[in-house]
Amino acid sequence: QSALTQPASVSGSPGQSITISCTGTSSDVGSYNFVSWYLQHPGKAPKIMIYEVSKRPSGVSNRFSGSKSGNTASLTISGLQAEDEADYYCCSYAGNRLVFGGGTKLTVL
Amino acid sequence: EVQLVESGGGLVEPGGSLRLSCAASGFTFSDAWMSWVRQAPGKGLEWVGRIKYKTDGRTPDYAAPVKGRFTISRDDSKNTLYLQMDSLKTEDTAVYYCTQYDSGSFLSWGQGTLVTVSS
Repeated sequence: QSALTQPASVSGSPGQSITISCTGTSSDVGSYNFVSWYLQHPGKAPKIMIYEVSKRPSGVSNRFSGSKSGNTASLTISGLQAEDEADYYCCSYAGNRLVFGGGTKLTVL
Repeated sequence: EVQLVESGGGLVEPGGSLRLSCAASGFTFSDAWMSWVRQAPGKGLEWVGRIKYKTDGRTPDYAAPVKGRFTISRDDSKNTLYLQMDSLKTEDTAVYYCTQYDSGSFLSWGQGTLVTVSS
């Protein structure tokens, strides 16, 4: 069961925007609008940031947005802030199973 | 406020067994699908399995690496989720998170409990 493909790291300066990609296949990302994104600070539990491709849970900043095109989903963070520095994981439903991406470390310069 | 509190982690030898528990509060547990997700030290997240609620038959699904060795169950009268882990391997060493699951997403997470499989 292959993981979804994410870049190992991305970086940006405060105030800038960054996008993290998440590439799957026609069996997962490409077939279902059940892609979610999670933020994880070191030593902490993950927190959901986006669900069903582009929906934000209550309490999540509108600086976070999600989208999907074909087999690739994306998370965009606008107006980067220092507290956004963390690991980010995408996840997709794949028919009675769930598959995560390998994670992307976001560094705020 | 949703709270998920895992317990039962610890050190176990290869081939051994361990049962994790997750006490849930702050939502109607019996109406919720639940799931376990794990994270090996320094590694990414990995889905372990999920269990449906009563109306959907409480049937579980498992990831391939744990199928046949791990069993997910629930006691709705106690608002508690379980993960029975048998025939443990060194590669099962990880922090195990209990999560509230819905439509392909893990809505809420516990703090995690560490399982170490080593001789």
